[in-house]
Order: sequence, then structure tokens, then C-alpha cells
Amino acid sequence: GAGVSQSPSNKVTEKGKDVELRCDPISGHTALYWYRQRLGQGLEFLIYFQGNSAPDKSGLPSDRFSAERTGESVSTLTIQRTQQEDSAVYLCASSLGWGSGTGELFFGEGSRLTVL
Amino acid sequence: SQQGEEDPQALSIQEGENATMNCSYKTSINNLQWYRQNSGRGLVHLILIRSNEREKHSGRLRVTLDTSKKSSSLLITASRAADTASYFCATRGSGGATNKLIFGTGTLLAVQP
Repeated sequence: GAGVSQSPSNKVTEKGKDVELRCDPISGHTALYWYRQRLGQGLEFLIYFQGNSAPDKSGLPSDRFSAERTGESVSTLTIQRTQQEDSAVYLCASSLGWGSGTGELFFGEGSRLTVL
Repeated sequence: SQQGEEDPQALSIQEGENATMNCSYKTSINNLQWYRQNSGRGLVHLILIRSNEREKHSGRLRVTLDTSKKSSSLLITASRAADTASYFCATRGSGGATNKLIFGTGTLLAVQP
């Protein structure tokens, strides 16, 4: 597709289970971001991938959170031993690499995670 | 933290009126961007202003940037009911090892028909 694709769109899980969220960026976009948005709140930065550089993981809230990206394609965000406080919409965005464009981010529709 | 703060948190106006939202940030920036988010959807880019620019226009949107005050404003003229959404500013820092984009807290705009 032409846009950023995220899956699943909705995920309900039990406390303590692990979840994986997937993001397919726009082809050719070297930068990829994950954000968390709690209900009625702003976007909380989680992690940023830029090409082959080491990712900026400074926003990950705990060691239960991790993310991987294969080359300049798909990324997965993994949350281990989920807690109720992890309930949120997880948004992925991609952009052309810094210096290659305006830096405009293109967002997916998000993955809504509910931890019971 | 670099995160921006926006005010007001919520704004309700009548169709045809102008809406002004403000954004303040804390560190030096390379550029500042405004995004719109309809309820339950992803964000959509509206406009970008670079640190060496003071004002920019796009259709009914006007953005100003005052780097001395570390603030920006977004003006939507002749608002429409379809403009109802949350609006976020986002800043990209200057220098440093990372160019991540940090978002503000957002303004929820309601335009009454």
C-alpha cells in the first residue's frame, strides 16, 4: 500500500502476556518512529530508527519494551509481561531520512492495545 | 524534556470564526511542525516552519514562529465544522546525535456549526 500500515488495529490481552505490534512503513522511508498515546493525551516518544544508525531508544518506558527494525522495512514493537498501564494506542510513523526531505512524518492508523 | 506544551488545551468556536492555538517548547530547534488528528485516527501533517522563518501560510493556515520566545502559533481562519480535531505541534531539535520529533500536548478544537 501507499501509506504506513499497522497491525493489529486492535488487541485485547490479559495482564502478564506478551504482545507484538507491527509497522510497515512507506517504501523508501529510512526513518521510523514509535509513539504511545494514552486516551485523551499527547504523543509520547518511544523509539526512533534512522537507516543503519543505532536506534534512539531513549523513550522506552521500561525494559519490558523493545523494538526491532529489519533494514529499512518492517518494525515490530514488543511489550513483555503487559500491565494495565500499557493500555494505549501505539502509533507508528515513517519519513524520508533527515536531510532528504522536509522531515514530515506519515502516520499509520495505530494499534489500540487494551490490557485487562 | 524537549516536549512542547500547547494552549489552550481545548477551544470551542463557531463556524466562520478564527481559531488560534499556541505552542511553547524548551530547547533549540531545527524546525517546528503542526499536525492534525481526527478522533481515533493517525496524525496528518499540516505545515512545517524552519527555525530561520518567522511566518508561513498554507491555505487557511497561518503559522508563526518566535525562536527568541520559543513559541509558535497556528491560526485557522474561517473555521469549518470539518476542522474539528486535535492539533499538535512537534519540534525537531538542532544539533545532537538524534533528530527525533517530539510532540506537544495538543489542543482539542471543536467548531460548532
